[in-house]
Amino acid sequence: GQQVMQIPQYQHVQEGEDFTTYCNSSTTLSNIQWYKQRPGGHPVFLIQLVKSGEVKKQKRLTFQFGEAKKNSSLHITATQTTDVGTYFCAGLGKTGKLIFGQGTTLQVKP
Amino acid sequence: DGGITQSPKYLFRKEGQNVTLSCEQNLNHDAMYWYRQDPGQGLRLIYYSQIVNDFQKGDIAEGYSVSREKKESFPLTVTSAQKNPTAFYLCASSLSGNWHQPQHFGDGTRLSIL
Repeated sequence: GQQVMQIPQYQHVQEGEDFTTYCNSSTTLSNIQWYKQRPGGHPVFLIQLVKSGEVKKQKRLTFQFGEAKKNSSLHITATQTTDVGTYFCAGLGKTGKLIFGQGTTLQVKP
Repeated sequence: DGGITQSPKYLFRKEGQNVTLSCEQNLNHDAMYWYRQDPGQGLRLIYYSQIVNDFQKGDIAEGYSVSREKKESFPLTVTSAQKNPTAFYLCASSLSGNWHQPQHFGDGTRLSIL
C-alpha cells in the first residue's frame, strides 16, 4: 500500500544549528501537510503544500514540495529550544486519505 | 474557546472489557477522525466520519467501533477484540470531509492494559 516515509527518526542538534527532516512517498501526492507535536502535546497543523516545486516560509521554517510531488522537506534555520518536538508530514495520495509519516523527533541542546 | 475535548486523559482497561473514549468538538466541523499513535509509527487512522450519521473504516479499524449521532461528538469504543490496545489515541476534526482541510487535534487519551 501507499507509504509515507520520514527521515531521520531522531535528530539532536545544538541550539543555533540548522535542522532538516525529509518526507518521501512511494506515489504522487495531491498535497502534503506538516504538523508539529510538542512533548506531551497533540499535533498542531503548520502548513500545507499543493503545487509542484512549491516553497513556503514561516519565519525560520522553510517547507518544500518536490517537483514530482513525491517528496517534501522541512528546514529550520538556527534552531531554538522552542523548536523541540516531533514533526510529522502527512500526504494525500491515491488512497484518498491522509497518510502520516513516522515523524522526526527534534531535540535541541541549549 | 473553540476546540476539541477528549476524555479521559488516562484510561485503564481490564482483559475482556470494552472501553469508550470520548471526543467532543465545538468548532462546528463536519468531519471527525480517530487516530492511534504508537512510538515510532506516526499516526494511523482508525475511523473517520465526514458527516453526521456516517462513518468509514480507516486503516486499522479491527477491534474498534464508533458512532456519529451528533455533529459535535464522535466516541470511540475499544472492544475486547482489540488485542493490543495500549496506545495514545488522538481525535481530530476538520471543517469539511475534504482531505485537503487541516486537521485540529484534541489532547489525546492514553489507554493502558491492567
